[in-house]
Amino acid sequence: EVQLVESGGDLVQPGGSLRLSCAASGFTFSTYWMSWVRQAPGKGLEWVANINQDGSEKYYVDSVKGRFTISRDNAKNSLYLQMNSLRAEDTAVYYCAKEIRTFGGVIDRFDYWGQGTLVTVSS
Amino acid sequence: SSELTQDPAVSVALGQTVTITCQGDSLRKYYASWFQQKPGQAPVLVIYGKNNRPSGIPDRFSGSSSGNTASLTITGAQAEDETDYYCNSRDRSGNYWVFGGGTKLTVL
Repeated sequence: EVQLVESGGDLVQPGGSLRLSCAASGFTFSTYWMSWVRQAPGKGLEWVANINQDGSEKYYVDSVKGRFTISRDNAKNSLYLQMNSLRAEDTAVYYCAKEIRTFGGVIDRFDYWGQGTLVTVSS
Repeated sequence: SSELTQDPAVSVALGQTVTITCQGDSLRKYYASWFQQKPGQAPVLVIYGKNNRPSGIPDRFSGSSSGNTASLTITGAQAEDETDYYCNSRDRSGNYWVFGGGTKLTVL
C-alpha cells in the first residue's frame, strides 16, 4: 500500500524558515518524480515544486523561486521542502504527491497524496 | 492566476447528471486529471487521461475532452458526491503543473 506521510509543519514568524519532510513507503520511491502541492485555508490547490528521480531536475512555481528548495534522499525514501523567507501568503496545508509520468507527458498525473502538514506564517 | 478555469459552483438534483468543465490552452496538448476533495481530506484522483478511473472510483464518474475544454461528468449524482472538484494538467510549457480554481458541487 502506497503511503505518503508529511511532517514538519508548524507556526513560524514571517521571514523564518521551516523544513518539511515526506516519508514514502509502498512503492519504489527512487523511480518516481515527486511534488509538493499546497492549499491555503479555504482556497484551491497550488502546485509548488517537483523533483526528478535522482534530484538533478527541479521546478518551482514562480512565487517560491529563490526561497524554497525541494530535495530528496532515496536511501531514506524521503522528500523534503526547505522553506526560507516565509511570508504570510505561504500559510497553507502542504501535501506531497507522487507523480506518474507517461510517454510524451500527455496523461501525466498525481496518483497518490499524503494527508498534508499545516504551515502557518504569522507573528 | 490559474491557467485552468473552472466554474466556482455547480448544482445538481439527486440522481441526475452533472458536468463540471475546465478550460485552458494546455488542454489542447495534455489531458486533464480530476480530483475530488472532501473537507479536511487530501485530494483523490477520480479521472485521468482520456477517460480512465483509478481502482475504487465508481463508474458514475467519467471524463471527456474537446479542444481546450475537459469535462468531468457524474451520471446519477449521489449525496456523497457533494464536495469540491479540481482539474489539473501540465502547463503550456510542459515543465510545470497547474490546477483549476475548483468547483464546489452541491447535490440538491
